[in-house]
Amino acid sequence: DGGITQSPKYLFRKEGQNVTLSCEQNLNHDAMYWYRQDPGQGLRLIYYSQIVNDFQKGDIAEGYSVSREKKESFPLTVTSAQKNPTAFYLCASSIQAGPYEQYFGPGTRLTVT
Amino acid sequence: SQQGEEDPQALSIQEGENATMNCSYKTSINNLQWYRQNSGRGLVHLILIRSNEREKHSGRLRVTLDTSKKSSSLLITASRAADTASYFCATDFSGTASKLTFGTGTRLQVTL
Repeated sequence: DGGITQSPKYLFRKEGQNVTLSCEQNLNHDAMYWYRQDPGQGLRLIYYSQIVNDFQKGDIAEGYSVSREKKESFPLTVTSAQKNPTAFYLCASSIQAGPYEQYFGPGTRLTVT
Repeated sequence: SQQGEEDPQALSIQEGENATMNCSYKTSINNLQWYRQNSGRGLVHLILIRSNEREKHSGRLRVTLDTSKKSSSLLITASRAADTASYFCATDFSGTASKLTFGTGTRLQVTL
């Protein structure tokens, strides 16, 4: 089955720890995205990547880092510098960056206490 | 912010009724997309309408776009309990065509 996967579904961490969220796609898409969603809110773009070994900051990149070493993978690290990391994190991909349909993973709910 | 704004924020209707939700945006776009999100899940793409289109249909969905008013509407006809979800519009602004900007969403509740 083609698709986009995120793991784990739920993640708990202590304040001050870095944590890495996984995102993998087998759709052969060039572009990948990370969004943050807070309760009752829309999606806010954290980082996006148009192609392997390239990524750009989105609207709320502070306290986050990413890498794009392989086309299939776009992991997101939530660092201890992120002041309010508890949120629902969604990864998406599209055939190219731009006005194309985005395919979303099931999300990771991160709770930091 | 260039974020789209959906209206209403929440909508509650009975099964069989039509549901209409609106999206307004601020700058010129190439296209506008609508997505659906079931609670605690990822988003699912519903429909894309280009800036040179005025209306598009997909099953029970009808989307309109008025670029002069910078607004779009999503109509779900003959709603079902399974349509209960949040609905988001997303736009790619002409000046930043490499990414989408999502609106704040409309939470639709369809009751039996």
